Parts: sequence; structure tokens; C-alpha cells
Amino acid sequence: QSVLTQPPSVSGAPGQRVTISCAGSSSNIGAGYDVHWYQQLPGTAPKLLIFVNNNRASGLPDRFSGSKSGTSASLAITGLQAEDEADYYCQSYDSSLSGVVFGGGTKLTVL
Amino acid sequence: EVQLVQSGAEVKKPGESLKISCKGSGYSFTSNWIGWVRQMPGKGLEWMGIIYPSDSDTRYSPSFQGQVTISADKSISTAYLHWSSLKASDSAMYYCVRRYYASGTYWFDPWGQGTLVTVSS
Repeated sequence: QSVLTQPPSVSGAPGQRVTISCAGSSSNIGAGYDVHWYQQLPGTAPKLLIFVNNNRASGLPDRFSGSKSGTSASLAITGLQAEDEADYYCQSYDSSLSGVVFGGGTKLTVL
Repeated sequence: EVQLVQSGAEVKKPGESLKISCKGSGYSFTSNWIGWVRQMPGKGLEWMGIIYPSDSDTRYSPSFQGQVTISADKSISTAYLHWSSLKASDSAMYYCVRRYYASGTYWFDPWGQGTLVTVSS
């Protein structure tokens, strides 16, 4: 059971918009700790997607955006493309655990 | 280009020891913490621990404390993850990551390509 809760899967048709949620608590996201997002394409290592809640990594198209509010964060992808099909992970820090925490991951399927 | 290059896949037997490596290049290796992340087959990412290569200050996730040893050799810009006695349940992909710090916060970038460890009798 991950400290940060993500939906196991989301899907959308090409061109559509999808959002992936990351629910935390008062000891992590709600305590003000930043949220970062990583994309793991099939068979590859994860790579940084969004840092500090809403900043896109170098070279990332503006179809990707991040937000944070209260004890949750979200990743939005607009204009879905086939190459966006991947696993997405949120990450933050938890003061109760005194360490890094990851969400359980969300598999994005482009229909 | 900042990159982390990990050692190759390993196949070991239960009870054997193993040390995998992660070599950094393109940046000052001693200026950033290096962490390790486990990904079991078909599962998510798990934080294992982190080391500061400059002075070898090391922190472990409680789940991995006593199960592995993280070390570094700053003279060759390399971090290590070591098991003294492998178990079948250690079979997984292991990633090293650079902890990048800026403006009072940090994130992980880049990631190594991963080292697949298979433990089987």
C-alpha cells in the first residue's frame, strides 16, 4: 500500500485529455512538500516529467502539466498521443516516515 | 550530458553476495546525493536509500535498513548497492538516481538505465 495513492489505470483516445491524481495526506503533500512526476515508457527506466508541482522537465511539450492543491496533486495530459502510453509515478516526501515516497503508479493506455 | 551508467544484469544463487554499481558523469559527483530505487517485476517504485558521495553520509528507508549496504567511491564517481546474502525476493530491477537540489527542494534526475538482478537456485 503506497503512501501516495494513484489510480491503477487511466485511458483515453488520441487527442483527448486525461488526468492522473495523486492523493496524499497531512504528512506529505498536505504538509507542503513538493510533488514530482516521472514517466516510465515500456521497458525503460523512469524519467523526470514534472518537478516542483508544475514545472516541465527540459524538452517536455506543454501538453503535460502538473498541479497541486491541499493534500493532492494531478498530472494532466492534453492532446493524447500513442507515445504517451506509459506508467506514471508521483513522488514526494513524508515527514512521518522521514523519507521519500512514491505513488503506486498509473498505467496510461491510449485507445 | 549528465548521466548515470549502471553495471550489467546479474544472475545469482540464494545466499551469494552481490555489488552493483552506478557511475556518474557530466557533473560534480560529490555535489549531489545518489539514491537507489527498487522495482519488482510488474510493480511500482520503492525508495531504498541514499548516499552523499562527498562524505559517504548514508540514509536508508526502514524497509531496506539492514538488508542492503549503499556505498560510494568518489575517486571514480561510482556508487554501489551491496547484498551480503541474496534471497529470491531480491530479484528486481534496481535504479540509481541523482538527487537534484534547487530552491529548497529536490527531485530525481537523471535515472540510471537500471540493473536487473535475478536470484534463483
